[in-house]
Amino acid sequence: AQSVAQPEDQVNVAEGNPLTVKCTYSVSGNPYLFWYVQYPNRGLQFLLKYITGDNLVKGSYGFEAEFNKSQTSFHLKKPSALVSDSALYFCAGSFPTGTASKLTFGTGTRLQVTL
Amino acid sequence: DVKVTQSSRYLVKRTGEKVFLECVQDMDHENMFWYRQDPGLGLRLIYFSYDVKMKEKGDIPEGYSVSREKKERFSLILESASTNQTSMYLCASSFYIGGGNQPQHFGDGTRLSIL
Repeated sequence: AQSVAQPEDQVNVAEGNPLTVKCTYSVSGNPYLFWYVQYPNRGLQFLLKYITGDNLVKGSYGFEAEFNKSQTSFHLKKPSALVSDSALYFCAGSFPTGTASKLTFGTGTRLQVTL
Repeated sequence: DVKVTQSSRYLVKRTGEKVFLECVQDMDHENMFWYRQDPGLGLRLIYFSYDVKMKEKGDIPEGYSVSREKKERFSLILESASTNQTSMYLCASSFYIGGGNQPQHFGDGTRLSIL
């Protein structure tokens, strides 16, 4: 069965340092992969997606993600973290063996950026 | 900007009540989704709909039903509310084209407490 895993419940980083939030997937074939961010008491906001082509995808608020097929990973990155980036981040995948429009979500990673 | 509106931000109901959660989107999206979000479990799909009057069960449909009489509106119904249905409920919508490569757009959620 297809799945998405976020191995870290929480990531702590100092403001100005680079950040990485990890995501791996398990599926045969080529998935569509997404990152979302959730601020307190809000819904999820779309950050970026990988469909095909260039493995480095750029998204909103300076975030980017790198698709690595051999490692089945899609890690979210930002060169310089801001305190305002503190939020809950979800990785999600749409897999070709399932219903076309359904997303499978990871369990989320809480990013804490401190001064 | 896509607007997905959930009728209530906070809702308190009693065990055994029939509960209606309403969601409206303004972007003419074909797909609409209902998720519940619980700490440590991420988002789990309850039901989704890819057209008016069409619906499919998600991963956790037990105890829930849905209604989609108009394209822009998707309702989640708790037939007889139980305390284990206390959760954050998120509605989302997306375009059907692309076979799953379209991002979903989320409402701000309804935090439902069943007493």
